[in-house]
Amino acid sequence: DTEVTQTPKHLVMGMTNKKSLKCEQHMGHRAMYWYKQKAKKPPELMFVYSYEKLSINESVPSRFSPECPNSSLLNLHLHALQPEDSALYLCASSQESGDYEQYFGPGTRLTVT
Amino acid sequence: GQSLEQPSEVTAVEGAIVQINCTYQTSGFYGLSWYQQHDGGAPTFLSYNALDGLEETGRFSSFLSRSDSYGYLLLQELQMKDSASYFCAVRAINTGGFKTIFGAGTRLFVKA
Repeated sequence: DTEVTQTPKHLVMGMTNKKSLKCEQHMGHRAMYWYKQKAKKPPELMFVYSYEKLSINESVPSRFSPECPNSSLLNLHLHALQPEDSALYLCASSQESGDYEQYFGPGTRLTVT
Repeated sequence: GQSLEQPSEVTAVEGAIVQINCTYQTSGFYGLSWYQQHDGGAPTFLSYNALDGLEETGRFSSFLSRSDSYGYLLLQELQMKDSASYFCAVRAINTGGFKTIFGAGTRLFVKA
């Protein structure tokens, strides 16, 4: 199983809502990542978890709150988002943190109204 | 800081060969990866170069020159399904560990 799954596929939320994005992998990878991708732009790293501990936070605003409940799951909690946060949110995993081969999920298309 | 440059668009015909260049300025450089992303899809890993030289994987090859801070992806026998965005990405180490930083991407259009 070389798949990273993400739910939901699409999410529309208001600026006062609280929602969560979920990511799961069963490849035994010890590193998991959140990226944000705007249309026609590259993925931008947000967070890196290594062995379930947050190792990199790319100065992401606190309205984005990551959580790694176990080695297979990664969540991104969203609260008080802005319309400019609308983007594709990609989860990825790799054997170890910083490995050059990352496996990406299909992403969650988020729209903030 | 980190910066990567690659052409924004390339157009080629089916069956041809195309080369997508990538230059980088990166502190803590370890290697250069290439990812493919179809519209609406997830990025998928294509290749990685840590050392100078050419790596070949089927129709795709990737090259790195560390002294020139330059690499390229070579796609041979182009097929329509190769129409996608191609990202070079540097693997670099700094405080916090290794990070992957993506270039802006090159949109490849393959024409019949």
